[in-house]
Amino acid sequence: QVQLQESGPGLVKPSETLSLTCTVSGGSMTDYYWTWIRQPPGKGLEWIGHIWYSGSSNYSPSLESRVTISVDTSKNQFSLKLHSVTAADTAVYYCARGSSGWYVVDPWGQGTLVTVSS
Amino acid sequence: DIQMTQSPSSLSASVGDSVTITCRASQSISNYLNWYQQKPGTAPKLLIYAASGLHSGVPSRFSGSGSGTDFTLTISSLQPEDFATYYCQHGHSTPHTFGQGTKLEI
Repeated sequence: QVQLQESGPGLVKPSETLSLTCTVSGGSMTDYYWTWIRQPPGKGLEWIGHIWYSGSSNYSPSLESRVTISVDTSKNQFSLKLHSVTAADTAVYYCARGSSGWYVVDPWGQGTLVTVSS
Repeated sequence: DIQMTQSPSSLSASVGDSVTITCRASQSISNYLNWYQQKPGTAPKLLIYAASGLHSGVPSRFSGSGSGTDFTLTISSLQPEDFATYYCQHGHSTPHTFGQGTKLEI
């Protein structure tokens, strides 16, 4: 079955760029939305944005000015860049697959904690 | 943007009880509503899709209903493994926001 795995630095300095990659295994990226979701410690889930396998993307309005999601189907990977980070961006970041139609988010990666601190 | 409001924020129950969690959308989303369960330290897992569809492998004690703006997740005959946090999420349009979560405690 399809599995997703996040990778990237666990510590980022304030004002720098958070960069994460999600590797998809066990299936094709075709016909799905590839999604990033985050969860600050002790808080709820926040949808960051997604990218269609062909490259069109949508972002949360609250993050749109700082976020870029890209996809490389030849490597079965998609990536998140979040610029100008602050401590408020400290969170567990999940990558996940979203379906067309009802936008069912499944499966999810295990998540990776990114801490913003000097 | 469509806002999702869950109630209650937390809920105490006992094994064997039946509980209902409510999710309200700020505008009509038809049946574009999904429910997830999250246990501490793990990623959320899909329970219900399209308001009432039971995801593969999810026990039948979980059920969902609703359409438009008001939705419910019901868990009948609570089991010890059901104590977790539950989130609704809409799939109507971007951004695909989540509710704030409902923590189900023993």
